[in-house]
Amino acid sequence: QVQLQESGPGLVKPSQTLSLTCSVSGGSISSGSYHWTWIRQPAGKGLEYIGRIYNRGSTNYNPSLNSRVTISLDASKNQFSLKLNSVTAADTAVYFCARAGNLMDVWGQGITVTVSS
Amino acid sequence: DIEMTQSPDSLAVSLGERATINCKSSQSLLCSSNNRYFLAWYQQKPGQPPKLLIYWASVRESGVPDRFTGGGSGTDFTLTISSLQAEDVAVYYCHQYCSTPWTFGQGTKVEIK
Repeated sequence: QVQLQESGPGLVKPSQTLSLTCSVSGGSISSGSYHWTWIRQPAGKGLEYIGRIYNRGSTNYNPSLNSRVTISLDASKNQFSLKLNSVTAADTAVYFCARAGNLMDVWGQGITVTVSS
Repeated sequence: DIEMTQSPDSLAVSLGERATINCKSSQSLLCSSNNRYFLAWYQQKPGQPPKLLIYWASVRESGVPDRFTGGGSGTDFTLTISSLQAEDVAVYYCHQYCSTPWTFGQGTKVEIK
């Protein structure tokens, strides 16, 4: 069965770029009709949709983050990635990657990213 | 954006009793000609990712106990746990996947009384 695993730095300095990767195992990122999605959750708070990439390359971003977000996909590595630039303390959160057909059914365990100098 | 509002924010129920969570959307979630509501429920336990319980408002995900039932229509939906078990202690989120940006309710924390 498909499994997802986030990786990347746990600490990012303010104004820098947060970069995370989600590795997909147990299935090909290119097969099926899936969107590969990023969600985040500040400590003790709710879930926020960041954006997603379709396996054919089209993207959709939350307008609240649109100008700072880039999601890309590397089929050769069976991975997809998130870049969020110009980060502030408000971007401190647990970041989840997820697979979505109509909706998110498989999630990674999440990675905690702290923005601090 | 479609706003999702859950009530209550927290709920304490005795073991074996019923727990009901409400979710209201700012727009109808009947979003296509398939006559289905684009509404899901997730369960999240501490330190874990959300787990999908219910989709299309009332379809139970494979492996989810039948004490979990989703219902509702239009803009008003419910998640009912018919007989609360200790392992059901968690935060529950409703989620609309009708239109982007996908949005979630603020969460309802379910505890044992």
